[in-house]
Amino acid sequence: AQSVTQLGSHVSVSEGALVLLRCNYSSSVPPYLFWYVQYPNQGLQLLLKYTTGATLVKGINGFEAEFKKSETSFHLTKPSAHMSDAAEYFCAVSANFGNEKLTFGTGTRLTIIP
Amino acid sequence: DAGVTQSPTHLIKTRGQQVTLRCSPKSGHDTVSWYQQALGQGPQFIFQYYEEEERQRGNFPDRFSGHQFPNYSSELNVNALLLGDSALYLCASSPLGSGYTDTQYFGPGTRLTVL
Repeated sequence: AQSVTQLGSHVSVSEGALVLLRCNYSSSVPPYLFWYVQYPNQGLQLLLKYTTGATLVKGINGFEAEFKKSETSFHLTKPSAHMSDAAEYFCAVSANFGNEKLTFGTGTRLTIIP
Repeated sequence: DAGVTQSPTHLIKTRGQQVTLRCSPKSGHDTVSWYQQALGQGPQFIFQYYEEEERQRGNFPDRFSGHQFPNYSSELNVNALLLGDSALYLCASSPLGSGYTDTQYFGPGTRLTVL
């Protein structure tokens, strides 16, 4: 079985500051990991994904995440926050590729302080 | 290239009624998954359809059923609605049959309110 835990349901950062959203996973098989973003009243948009290979994954809008097997983590970072980054962020895991059932965390709401 | 589309956008029903939600996958995709997102929660997997068959199912009661058509579009049906069924219902598509280890692309969702 797979599960993810997102630490911090709400995170606030100042515009221009580092964004760090935490995600830890549990998986009985090599995981496939994803970060999605959800803007108000919208569906989910894929930010980035880790399947195999390079452990540092770059995504859209300047976001990146690093897969650390020893720490069972897949934290999302962005060097400099922008007002447009304010949204809900979800970490997700699947057991086999990205076509399989996704198990999501409870989400982290990111607020950007001007 | 149209992405995943869902209809209707919003829906209001009363307890005990039945509802049907519709989803058209992204062009080239043959697999449709449905998720329920309650307010303040992450999406939860309901089921996935491929080749007109239910391929995987999450922990949802039989009141939740689905269908996939030959053109790959899909319907989610919920019978005997409960207040707790109020949620955003998300549809996602992926190209399973192509063999690509792709991810799932989500539609904008249908907001269901049960009164």
